[in-house]
Amino acid sequence: AQTVTQSQPEMSVQEAETVTLSCTYDTSESNYYLFWYKQPPSRQMILVIRQEAYKQQNATENRFSVNFQKAAKSFSLKISDSQLGDTAMYFCAFNHQGAQKLVFGQGTRLTINP
Amino acid sequence: DVKVTQSSRYLVKRTGEKVFLECVQDMDHENMFWYRQDPGLGLRLIYFSYDVKMKEKGDIPEGYSVSREKKERFSLILESASTNQTSMYLCASSSPGQLAKNIQYFGAGTRLSVL
Repeated sequence: AQTVTQSQPEMSVQEAETVTLSCTYDTSESNYYLFWYKQPPSRQMILVIRQEAYKQQNATENRFSVNFQKAAKSFSLKISDSQLGDTAMYFCAFNHQGAQKLVFGQGTRLTINP
Repeated sequence: DVKVTQSSRYLVKRTGEKVFLECVQDMDHENMFWYRQDPGLGLRLIYFSYDVKMKEKGDIPEGYSVSREKKERFSLILESASTNQTSMYLCASSSPGQLAKNIQYFGAGTRLSVL
């Protein structure tokens, strides 16, 4: 079975600091996609960043970047220069090529303090 | 922008009531999904649909059913609500195919309380 594990239920950092959220996954597939979604308080979930497993280069979106370690099945999210608006629940998710369903981790509640 | 609209943000129902949660998307997406979100458990898939009148069970379908009569609308039905169905319900949609990149778009959620 495919599983996604986020081992940090909660994290808290000061504004402008860099924070890394961890995610590991388990699959026997070789072609798959990994995602980080953000759910701000009382607002809808949005995609932060996406990685295709066949690409060796780590995805980057402005202040958000990932460290994708395929052999270790690890997919961490780094937020640089954190801002108050980054306060949210963050979910790591996975699906394999050809599948439409996503498998989600348990989520990490991130708080950015002023 | 993709818009996924869930008809209610908050619902309070009584045990045994039949409950309908409605979701509408405006991007002509083939796929639609219903998830349940609980603290410490993340999102769990209840049902999904890849076409009109087509549905597949997700990981936790017990106690739920769905209806998709039109492409843009996907309804989640609790036939007889129970207190253990108190939760946040999220609807999502996506388009199949490589260009769509497997990205799902979410509604704002419906927080259901069953008393």
